[in-house]
Amino acid sequence: DGGITQSPKYLFRKEGQNVTLSCEQNLNHDAMYWYRQDPGQGLRLIYYSQIVNDFQKGDIAEGYSVSREKKESFPLTVTSAQKNPTAFYLCASSVPGLDYNEQFFGPGTRLTVL
Amino acid sequence: QQQVKQSPQSLIVQKGGISIINCAYENTAFDYFPWYQQFPGKGPALLIAIRPDVSEKKEGRFTISFNKSAKQFSLHIMDSQPGDSATYFCAANGGFGAGTTVTVRA
Repeated sequence: DGGITQSPKYLFRKEGQNVTLSCEQNLNHDAMYWYRQDPGQGLRLIYYSQIVNDFQKGDIAEGYSVSREKKESFPLTVTSAQKNPTAFYLCASSVPGLDYNEQFFGPGTRLTVL
Repeated sequence: QQQVKQSPQSLIVQKGGISIINCAYENTAFDYFPWYQQFPGKGPALLIAIRPDVSEKKEGRFTISFNKSAKQFSLHIMDSQPGDSATYFCAANGGFGAGTTVTVRA
């Protein structure tokens, strides 16, 4: 089955630690995205990538980093510089340039900083 | 990302009633306006989408109404069911609305 997988589903981190969230897709989509979701604030774009080895900052990139070494993978690192990292993180993919908003989402990772 | 204004933030409807959610956008370079449905603890999934060459699109109990001149579009959920209880997001030109939490009471 084609789709997007995110792991882990739940993640706990101590303050000051970096943590990496995994996102893998087998939809053969060129574009991938990371969103942060907080209650009442909808989806806020952290980073996006339209093609391998290239990525762009979104609206709230500070304290986060990404890499795009493979088409199917777009991991997100939450660094210790992110002041309030507790949130629900969603990865998505799409075909760039066509139906921009038709995005396919993964099941999400809930990150809690202890 | 451009701003997309969605309202209301939440609504409660009785089973069998109609839920209406509205979205307003600024300019857009893409002729595609989707609505996503998200259940608690899950990722959003595309529910229904419209292109502005039509003013309305219906899929089962879900209908999108589109007003291009007003830059607004809305989602209507007819005969609302408890299983429709979820958060709904509109999207336009790469931006998402803040979401509307719909609760359908039996």
